[in-house]
Amino acid sequence: DTAVSQTPKYLVTQMGNDKSIKCEQNLGHDTMYWYKQDSKKFLKIMFSYNNKELIINETVPNRFSPKSPDKAHLNLHINSLELGDSAVYFCASSQGGSLPYGYTFGSGTRLTVV
Amino acid sequence: GQNIDQPTEMTATEGAIVQINCTYQTSGFNGLFWYQQHAGEAPTFLSYNVLDGLEEKGRFSSFLSRSKGYSYLLLKELQMKDSASYLCAAGRDYKLSFGAGTTVTVRA
Repeated sequence: DTAVSQTPKYLVTQMGNDKSIKCEQNLGHDTMYWYKQDSKKFLKIMFSYNNKELIINETVPNRFSPKSPDKAHLNLHINSLELGDSAVYFCASSQGGSLPYGYTFGSGTRLTVV
Repeated sequence: GQNIDQPTEMTATEGAIVQINCTYQTSGFNGLFWYQQHAGEAPTFLSYNVLDGLEEKGRFSSFLSRSKGYSYLLLKELQMKDSASYLCAAGRDYKLSFGAGTTVTVRA
């Protein structure tokens, strides 16, 4: 049974489109995250939700809007996609913050904007 | 903010030992993590240090010096399957800040 699952795994779309990525965790964790990994493999936090409340919102364009309907789900909607949005997006979860076990990551969604 | 530096690449021979260094400058730091990421896959948790000293887990060990802002990951008895990227990450509350990763290539 997959602990953190995200869909789709691959997403190819045209500039200007709107797309969503879904994430679900069955670990009973109370905190979920979205990270972006660019072509240089640098993982950078975008958002964090704790018990459905937004607690971290890094400098991310407002074209990106996270939604957490319950603590097991955190979806990411992206409006007006741009070429620079091409990256791998990872969902992750943890219990009570990053300590002491860090995060459990999903398998990633490779987004390609053409 | 948290600046995290680690070497870009390292190459070693099967059966050898490799040490990956990580330096960080951070405010409100409360833990140092190491993750392994194989190409095209998700990062997986390897180790965690909050106090100074060495944590050993089988072939992998991690060391932390908080006063020096320094950590290393030691991989012993290298195997081909250890070829991957190794990410150093500093933890603060709900946020892990990652370094750019060190790509380790193990050669026969």
